[in-house]
Amino acid sequence: SYVLTQPPSVSVAPGKTANITCGGNNIGSKSVHWYQQKPGQAPVLVIYYGTDRPSGIPERFSGSNSGNTATLTISRVEAGDEADYYCQVWDSSSGHLVFGGGTKLTVL
Amino acid sequence: EVQLVESGGGLIQPGGSLRLSCAASGFIVSTSYMSWVRQAPGKGLEWVSVIYSGGNTYYADSVKGRFTISRDNSKNTLYLEMNSLRAEDTAVYYCASTDITGTTWYFDYWGQGTLVTVSS
Repeated sequence: SYVLTQPPSVSVAPGKTANITCGGNNIGSKSVHWYQQKPGQAPVLVIYYGTDRPSGIPERFSGSNSGNTATLTISRVEAGDEADYYCQVWDSSSGHLVFGGGTKLTVL
Repeated sequence: EVQLVESGGGLIQPGGSLRLSCAASGFIVSTSYMSWVRQAPGKGLEWVSVIYSGGNTYYADSVKGRFTISRDNSKNTLYLEMNSLRAEDTAVYYCASTDITGTTWYFDYWGQGTLVTVSS
């Protein structure tokens, strides 16, 4: 089955840029979606179709996808961005919906 | 404004049954794709089931044959009937509206979740 690999944790200082990666075999050929989950809260969609932002999501959040790696980039990181981030794809070949294991973003 | 409110979680013994509900407002459940996604304590997200607007249903292998997704159009409510519950089904269960195209799915709105604990 298709596997998405995320680093367990990423740390970044306030005002800097955080890059959260999501690795998968030829993931560049798939649409990747990203969710933010703050402690004790439900996930929130922050990026869909790899690069699109839902209304209400700051422009500081952006996405890219190529080859075997998709990336969620958070610019000018704020303390309120501290959360778990999950990538997700639909693997049409297996018919399975797959989540990455999640990355905990810590703002130093 | 889209709102999803789950209920029905609780403590249940292994082998028992439970029905979760998800009351929707701000959109029509019967014309939407709707999913259940769960999260075991301290773990990641796992898709459980989906019901298409046309009524087709699909399940993760881990729950197939034990869980049933359904909806009540008159109540604009989604359900998840869970039977033969196991300890590994312990999780927060979220309902989520689902956008499905020919090549991908994603979850655009989520409820706050309801905790199911399977333990003797």
